[in-house]
Amino acid sequence: DVKVTQSSRYLVKRTGEKVFLECVQDMDHENMFWYRQDPGLGLRLIYFSYDVKMKEKGDIPEGYSVSREKKERFSLILESASTNQTSMYLCASSLLGLLGSGANVLTFGAGSRLTVL
Amino acid sequence: AQTVTQSQPEMSVQEAETVTLSCTYDTSESNYYLFWYKQPPSRQMILVIRQEAYKQQNATENRFSVNFQKAAKSFSLKISDSQLGDTAMYFCAFMKQGRWDYKLSFGAGTTVTVRA
Repeated sequence: DVKVTQSSRYLVKRTGEKVFLECVQDMDHENMFWYRQDPGLGLRLIYFSYDVKMKEKGDIPEGYSVSREKKERFSLILESASTNQTSMYLCASSLLGLLGSGANVLTFGAGSRLTVL
Repeated sequence: AQTVTQSQPEMSVQEAETVTLSCTYDTSESNYYLFWYKQPPSRQMILVIRQEAYKQQNATENRFSVNFQKAAKSFSLKISDSQLGDTAMYFCAFMKQGRWDYKLSFGAGTTVTVRA
């Protein structure tokens, strides 16, 4: 079965800590995404990667960075966590291919709920 | 980013009844994709249904169907014969049709509760 695995389901961190959220997919997908989910705001795209070592900013990249050293792994980094980064973080992946062939369907992980105190 | 609006934060429906979720979007694109995703409580987000904007025929997937009104920029989801397992948050999403455009813009979500 196709899977996107997020390493931590729940995290509690202190303000100013460096936080790593890890995501691994086993579908050989080229595209990987990090979204942030907040009540009343839906999902907002933080960063996107369509290839190893490639990244693009999404709608809310401030305060975040990403790393993609291997095709299957996409990491989200909070260099100095702040309380306004308390949220649910969702990783997703999809194929790079002809749109309409299934390439535009995202497969999501279970989410990582981060609390910053 | 494209704007996707879901005006109903919460909806409740009796088991076996029908419920319709509304979604409107704002875009100047002529070719795009629309999606409904479902997020059950404490579970992963999954695709419910998708619609290509160039297709006039409304998409259907078993008990789920959409009413796509391109001119009105409206994309509603109808859940027929609601089941307890349909209880979830439902998100409407938009994707431009471009070779390197794989980014989804999501609405705020509608929480659907199916009552026994």
